[in-house]
Amino acid sequence: KAGVTQTPRYLIKTRGQQVTLSCSPISGHRSVSWYQQTPGQGLQFLFEYFSETQRNKGNFPGRFSGRQFSNSRSEMNVSTLELGDSALYLCASSLEQGAIAQYFGPGTRLTVL
Amino acid sequence: ELKVEQNPLFLSMQEGKNYTIYCNYSTTSDRLYWYRQDPGKSLESLFVLLSNGAVKQEGRLMASLDTKARLSTLHITAAVHDLSATYFCAVAPDSGGYQKVTFGTGTKLQVIP
Repeated sequence: KAGVTQTPRYLIKTRGQQVTLSCSPISGHRSVSWYQQTPGQGLQFLFEYFSETQRNKGNFPGRFSGRQFSNSRSEMNVSTLELGDSALYLCASSLEQGAIAQYFGPGTRLTVL
Repeated sequence: ELKVEQNPLFLSMQEGKNYTIYCNYSTTSDRLYWYRQDPGKSLESLFVLLSNGAVKQEGRLMASLDTKARLSTLHITAAVHDLSATYFCAVAPDSGGYQKVTFGTGTKLQVIP
């Protein structure tokens, strides 16, 4: 079974632009969560989607948004990029909301110049 | 707000030695995760601990959970170079939001041959 895939793997943007990252969960998994990893703040939870609905949200500004499609694929969008948004963005999939196991994708490395 | 503290932050040890990484958390929780991350890579799940007194072992790593003390430990036995990585604990709140985990700061382990 294929693992979690994230595209693109690397991205360079400039301040003020917006970006969309994509995550395809493991086949059959319906819950997708997003995390941001930076050297300064560490790993932080962004949001979780299940059945096309946002179920949980971390403490991030409204510039960070996401959605989930009927096939469970998820996208996250960051508008008006700031230098501090440079990070590794990780997506994790789970079978169901509340499932114990989470499987992480390889991540998207975003650099904001 | 759930806080998770890990120590030490950095650990340099010689092959063959034993050591323990500690993970303290501030509120009640019904699950605790340990992950491994190699440089530039995603997170690899090591253990999920679900109940007080839970102990899990895989190779040279053993994790335990004391929910009363709100403490988990990751014990490394007879370290080998391949264990060099950053180790994270992550705690899910017992109020729901299972994927809304809070991560510790990570422990960067360097095993010297």
